[in-house]
Amino acid sequence: QVQLVESGGGLVKPGGSLRLSCAASGFTFSDYYMSWIRQAPGKGLEWVSYISSSGSTIYYADSVKGRFTISRDNAKNSLYLQMNSLRAEDTAVYYCARDRGDYFLSYWYFDLWGRGTLVTVSS
Amino acid sequence: AIQLTQSPSSLSASVGDRVTITCRASQGISSALAWYQQKPGKAPKLLIYDASSLESGVPSRFSGSGSGTDFTLTISSLQPEDFATYYCQQFNNYPPITFGQGTRLEIK
Repeated sequence: QVQLVESGGGLVKPGGSLRLSCAASGFTFSDYYMSWIRQAPGKGLEWVSYISSSGSTIYYADSVKGRFTISRDNAKNSLYLQMNSLRAEDTAVYYCARDRGDYFLSYWYFDLWGRGTLVTVSS
Repeated sequence: AIQLTQSPSSLSASVGDRVTITCRASQGISSALAWYQQKPGKAPKLLIYDASSLESGVPSRFSGSGSGTDFTLTISSLQPEDFATYYCQQFNNYPPITFGQGTRLEIK
């Protein structure tokens, strides 16, 4: 079925690194723009990063710029988020989300979300 | 970045009630607004896009309206499965896209 499944979350110390993965299935992953969106415990939603269908266009939220790197492997139907220099305020459930658009156009809203993976940054 | 302010932050209502949630943008965003529903421990679900277009599979009791800076999500007759948190999201000016702080809809 059509789904996104995140993995790679866990407990990490401040200053540490973690790599999140998102496995897509049931649709042509390479046709879609993708984003990572996070939600701190008991808080609202915060967009983190965006990557175009080809991987040629990438954006980051100011809060993670220079520390996080988004990437994708269309041959493996997978999206990634490399997180370095982690801080306590990065603690959140991280969702990967599919853009509603198509290969040529991003709509910047999201019609398919994964169930999320929890990242906890604590000493 | 454009700020979205939802009101109320929380709301108590009964099954069968008509409920309206408001989202106000800090500057005009045309009709570039989406609404999501999130239940505890679950991912958000797209309900409305382009301010008033109903996502496929979403019950017709959900509707959206507005343009510019003021938007509303209306549930015409609350059902038990509608008790959740609702978020608006703007996609007119990006990056970044931004979300409202959420409105928690509880059973009275």
